[in-house]
Amino acid sequence: NAGVMQNPRHLVRRRGQEARLRCSPMKGHSHVYWYRQLPEEGLKFMVYLQKENIIDESGMPKERFSAEFPKEGPSILRIQQVVRGDSAAYFCASSPLGQGFGANVLTFGAGSRLTVL
Amino acid sequence: AQKVTQAQTEISVVEKEDVTLDCVYETRDTTYYLFWYKQPPSGELVFLIRRNSFDEQNEISGRYSWNFQKSTSSFNFTITASQVVDSAVYFCAYGGETSGSRLTFGEGTQLTVNP
Repeated sequence: NAGVMQNPRHLVRRRGQEARLRCSPMKGHSHVYWYRQLPEEGLKFMVYLQKENIIDESGMPKERFSAEFPKEGPSILRIQQVVRGDSAAYFCASSPLGQGFGANVLTFGAGSRLTVL
Repeated sequence: AQKVTQAQTEISVVEKEDVTLDCVYETRDTTYYLFWYKQPPSGELVFLIRRNSFDEQNEISGRYSWNFQKSTSSFNFTITASQVVDSAVYFCAYGGETSGSRLTFGEGTQLTVNP
């Protein structure tokens, strides 16, 4: 039973390019979360999605960042016109049908490490 | 807003020593959950434990134990007889009734266990 799969594991982009990070949740999980870990910092919540719905995007930067979780296929975190400050590890997590606020035990992927040159 | 503080940025111990990782949280929620996650050098986050705010009973799992005290808003994690494989970054996290499905993570504690 595969866990949360993220790819690519490492991505290098030049300033101004686009970055697309993909996440396939654990089998049986219908909730996907994205977190960002800046160097030497803890994880910060970005967005929470269910299939075809963005439930909470309160942690997403207002510009250049978007996320989707289509009916078919993986969840995608898209960063347009990347800047050096976007260099970070981006973690995807999933959980089964909602267990209520704050209670969800999240299964994390191994992360995608974005480096912006 | 909720806040999680892990004051110890780095801890270094020698194998077989006991070590305690501190976690202090701030909240006005009545109902909430606390978590510990482990991030080994390979990078993924591994779930260790979840406690809810109504259960202050301490928990032991093998060499790991957790002490939850609402009176001091702390949820500390102790590793007994540490091993080199315990070397990792450990994160404490909070989820509560006013934070939706968001978890608030502490900054993490880098634990290094030396042989």
